[in-house]
Amino acid sequence: AQTVTQSQPEMSVQEAETVTLSCTYDTSESDYYLFWYKQPPSRQMILVIRQEAYKQQNATENRFSVNFQKAAKSFSLKISDSQLGDAAMYFCAWFSNTGNQFYFGTGTSLTVIP
Amino acid sequence: NAGVMQNPRHLVRRRGQEARLRCSPMKGHSHVYWYRQLPEEGLKFMVYLQKENIIDESGMPKERFSAEFPKEGPSILRIQQVVRGDSAAYFCASSPKIGDGNTIYFGEGSWLTVV
Repeated sequence: AQTVTQSQPEMSVQEAETVTLSCTYDTSESDYYLFWYKQPPSRQMILVIRQEAYKQQNATENRFSVNFQKAAKSFSLKISDSQLGDAAMYFCAWFSNTGNQFYFGTGTSLTVIP
Repeated sequence: NAGVMQNPRHLVRRRGQEARLRCSPMKGHSHVYWYRQLPEEGLKFMVYLQKENIIDESGMPKERFSAEFPKEGPSILRIQQVVRGDSAAYFCASSPKIGDGNTIYFGEGSWLTVV
């Protein structure tokens, strides 16, 4: 079975600083996607960034980037120049190209300190 | 382009009543997924449907829960005889084809409160 583990229930960062959220996963499949979703207090699921497993290059989206280590099954999210609006719950998720389910981690609550 | 539309956004039901949650996928998307988020937890898969077919309902509770995606109209998640433990956020996602992580998107969720 696929599992996604987020070992940091809570993290905090000073405004304008950089923070890294960790995520590991377990799968025997070779073709899949990995995602980071942000869930603010409004509880919408907002896509932050996605990574295709066959791509070696790490995905980036403005201030957000990932460190994808396929062999280690690690997928961390780096947020640079943190802003107050980044405060939210962040979920790591795994999705199979041959399946139909997301597997989500339990989330990391990020606090941004002014 | 309209995104995945869910309604109602908030629904309050008394124990024993029925709850119906609707999901209109993005234009051109014929695959719909329902997920449930209990308080303080991540999203958990419930059911995957294509037009007029249930493909995978392995995450659906065996009783009281049902889902459909008719040829015309939105997908509907139906919860009969609701209980307090059904209080949760229900998210719908859609994609144009199976297994395409590039084109799957979530709706804004429907929050069910059972009183």
